[in-house]
Amino acid sequence: DIVMTQSPDSLAESLGERATINCKSSQSLLYNSKAYLAWYQQKPGQPPKLLIYWASTRESGVPDRFSGSGSGTDFTLTISSLQAEDVAVYYCQQYYSTLSWTFGQGTKVEIK
Amino acid sequence: EVQLVESGGDLVQPGGSLRLSCTASGFTFSSYWMHWVRQAPGKGLVWVSRINNDGSATTYADSVKGRFTISRDNAKNTLYLQMNSLTVEDTAVYYCARGSEPGWFDPWGQGTPVTVSS
Repeated sequence: DIVMTQSPDSLAESLGERATINCKSSQSLLYNSKAYLAWYQQKPGQPPKLLIYWASTRESGVPDRFSGSGSGTDFTLTISSLQAEDVAVYYCQQYYSTLSWTFGQGTKVEIK
Repeated sequence: EVQLVESGGDLVQPGGSLRLSCTASGFTFSSYWMHWVRQAPGKGLVWVSRINNDGSATTYADSVKGRFTISRDNAKNTLYLQMNSLTVEDTAVYYCARGSEPGWFDPWGQGTPVTVSS
């Protein structure tokens, strides 16, 4: 299985500050120039919500303060200006392998 | 509106069985792969199983292989997960999710809780 490792496990930033979450895969997720990597946001008591796919394409309706980048095995989710409603756990997920889909362990984002 | 609604979660004893259901609406159910993902209390997301659009192909996580069976009824727009030989490690909220063609999951249902305890 492809192992996904996120860092840090948690972070706290002030309102309006930048928050950065890293995700590393145990093998390259790149195929035909596309990175098979998605990001999800899960708020307390809610199901996960798709934020980004193809590593950097925002889902419709997702605020543009959320951005994704990276390629190969190293990826980043950036919240450019942290808002109170962004408090959540964020997960990366690989969909390169269609035999086993795997998630990172999650990163908890809080307001300082 | 695209919607997924799970049901069937319950308290069950170790060794017992349970069948979860996920009813879909707002989209052509028979055109999509579907997945089950679980989340143990306070833990992260773990993919459990997937089924292709016509039900002819299934895949399972090693932790549930041989114990869980995924199936679907496209006439009823419903996805199922039959869970047998349950252990305390199967305690989790179980989510169904629609799979995109490349493989991300969107949307997700609200989840149904399964507790395995004596």
